[in-house]
Amino acid sequence: EAQVTQNPRYLITVTGKKLTVTCSQNMNHEYMSWYRQDPGLGLRQIYYSMNVEVTDKGDVPEGYKVSRKEKRNFPLILESPSPNQTSLYFCASLSGGAGTGELFFGEGSRLTVL
Amino acid sequence: SQKIEQNSEALNIQEGKTATLTCNYTNYSPAYLQWYRQDPGRGPVFLLLIRENEKEKRKERLKVTFDTTLKQSLFHITASQPADSATYLCAPGAPGGSQGNLIFGKGTKLSVKP
Repeated sequence: EAQVTQNPRYLITVTGKKLTVTCSQNMNHEYMSWYRQDPGLGLRQIYYSMNVEVTDKGDVPEGYKVSRKEKRNFPLILESPSPNQTSLYFCASLSGGAGTGELFFGEGSRLTVL
Repeated sequence: SQKIEQNSEALNIQEGKTATLTCNYTNYSPAYLQWYRQDPGRGPVFLLLIRENEKEKRKERLKVTFDTTLKQSLFHITASQPADSATYLCAPGAPGGSQGNLIFGKGTKLSVKP
């Protein structure tokens, strides 16, 4: 079954404690992306990756890091989480080539930073 | 800067009626535009993609139009049902059809009453 898998689905942590949210897709997609979703602000893109070893900032990259060492995985790293990073996070991968872009989303990871 | 507006935060309609949702964009020229459905706490799910050279696209009870002169897309659900209740997001694709910084509107929450 084609899917994007995120872990953990729920996490409560404390300020400053490094954490990683993993994302894996089994569709051999080149493009992957991370979004955060907050009430009243909608989905905002954090980082995206066009291919292995190629990453770029989205609209809200501050406080986050990513890496793309292999095609299927795109982890999101919060080196020193702060309460304003409390949010619902979605990973997504893109099917097709340029101009065909259907995004497949994961189920989301709800993060609370105390 | 690029801006996407979905004109209604919420839309309430009666079962059986046609729901019409609006997406306006400014300061760029997308090569395509997508619509997604999102249920509470879940990841968005792709519904339809329409390209800049297409005026209209249909899929079952769904219809999308794309007016590049008005910089607007309309999303219609005919014969609406309570199961259509969800938040609908529009996402204009990057100019030239390339992937990249894919951004979303804030969404319109549709409620279909029996």
